[in-house]
Amino acid sequence: ETMMTQSPPTLSVSPGERATLSCRASLEISTNLAWYQQKPGQAPRLLIYGASTRATGVPARFSGSGSGTEFTLTISSLQSEDFAVYYCQEYYNWPPWTFGQGTKVEIK
Amino acid sequence: EVQLVESGGGLVHPGGSLRLSCAASGFTLSDYWMQWVRQVPGKGLMWVSRINRDGSSGAYAESVRGRFTISRDNAKNTVYLQMDSLRVEDTAMYYCARGGSYSPDWGQGTLVTVSS
Repeated sequence: ETMMTQSPPTLSVSPGERATLSCRASLEISTNLAWYQQKPGQAPRLLIYGASTRATGVPARFSGSGSGTEFTLTISSLQSEDFAVYYCQEYYNWPPWTFGQGTKVEIK
Repeated sequence: EVQLVESGGGLVHPGGSLRLSCAASGFTLSDYWMQWVRQVPGKGLMWVSRINRDGSSGAYAESVRGRFTISRDNAKNTVYLQMDSLRVEDTAMYYCARGGSYSPDWGQGTLVTVSS
């Protein structure tokens, strides 16, 4: 089973600043990585798949990069609606699919 | 518009059973693998199960294998998760999600509480 480790657990950022979130896989996963955003009381929302492809309707300020075992989600200029928890998920080593433990982006 | 609506959650005693349903609309269910993901309140996401397009093959997380059964009725546009021998640690919000790898669409979830 692939272990997904996200860092940091909590990221304090001021509106308008850049946020950089990391996700590390314990095994090679090529670019089979997705990022999700989850707000309190809501279901997860797909942001990125294939490590770097934005899902439909996702603003361009969200970008993903990486391959192999190291991945990054960057939010170029944080807006108020971006404060949430972000999860990475691998879909390369089956079974099972595994998620990271999440990074909470909070207002500084 | 894609919609996934889960139902069937509730309070059940340890050892009991529940069947969750996921009603799909806005797309052709038979074109997609489907999966269930759960989340303990305040905690992270855990993949539970997935099913192929025609329902002939299901897969499970190790912690639920042998106790949970995924199925689907494409004619009724519904996916199911039969949960037997429930344990306290199965308490979670259960989400239905479209797709067999990453999931672009999720339902709002149904809460399952296992408690004596």
